[in-house]
Amino acid sequence: AQSVTQLDSHVSVSEGTPVLLRCNYSSSYSPSLFWYVQHPNKGLQLLLKYTSAATLVKGINGFEAEFKKSETSFHLTKPSAHMSDAAEYFCVVSDRNDYKLSFGAGTTVTVRA
Amino acid sequence: GAVVSQHPSRVICKSGTSVKIECRSLDFQATTMFWYRQFPKKSLMLMATSNEGSKATYEQGVEKDKFLINHASLTLSTLTVTSAHPEDSSFYICSATTWGDSGGYNEQFFGPGTRLTVL
Repeated sequence: AQSVTQLDSHVSVSEGTPVLLRCNYSSSYSPSLFWYVQHPNKGLQLLLKYTSAATLVKGINGFEAEFKKSETSFHLTKPSAHMSDAAEYFCVVSDRNDYKLSFGAGTTVTVRA
Repeated sequence: GAVVSQHPSRVICKSGTSVKIECRSLDFQATTMFWYRQFPKKSLMLMATSNEGSKATYEQGVEKDKFLINHASLTLSTLTVTSAHPEDSSFYICSATTWGDSGGYNEQFFGPGTRLTVL
């Protein structure tokens, strides 16, 4: 069985400061890990994914995440938050057993001017 | 990325009626579509996997007779909530994808979701 735990339900940052969203995973098989963003009234958008290549993954809009097998973590970071980053973020795991996506509970990011 | 649409975006219905939600892949042929349910402040829960031309595979605990899924073409899947009740009120999201050459699904592209309210 696979699952993810997002350690923060809500993160609030000031514009221009770093963002850190924490995610731990559990998987019986070699996992693929993803971060998705959900803006209101829009479909989920893939930010980045890890699929057993480089452990530091760069995504769109300046986001990146590092896969740490020893810590079973896949934290998402961005060096400087923008107002447009305010959204819901989901950490997602998939393994090679059935390739289905298992979503974390989500982290709501608010950005203060 | 590819575009997936859902229709309607919002629907309000009376208890006991049936509601159909459409999911369309607009610019690619999707061999597989997934249906998810999202509760307020909650994660997405996979309801079923729909492959074109075959019966949907439902996740444990999802009533297949209540949530009818049809994937008649490579660009359209429908979810029908039959005899809807207030507890069926939720946000329903679909995604569309294809099977990858090296095994596993390619990227899933998500629709914007449908808000169902059952009175």
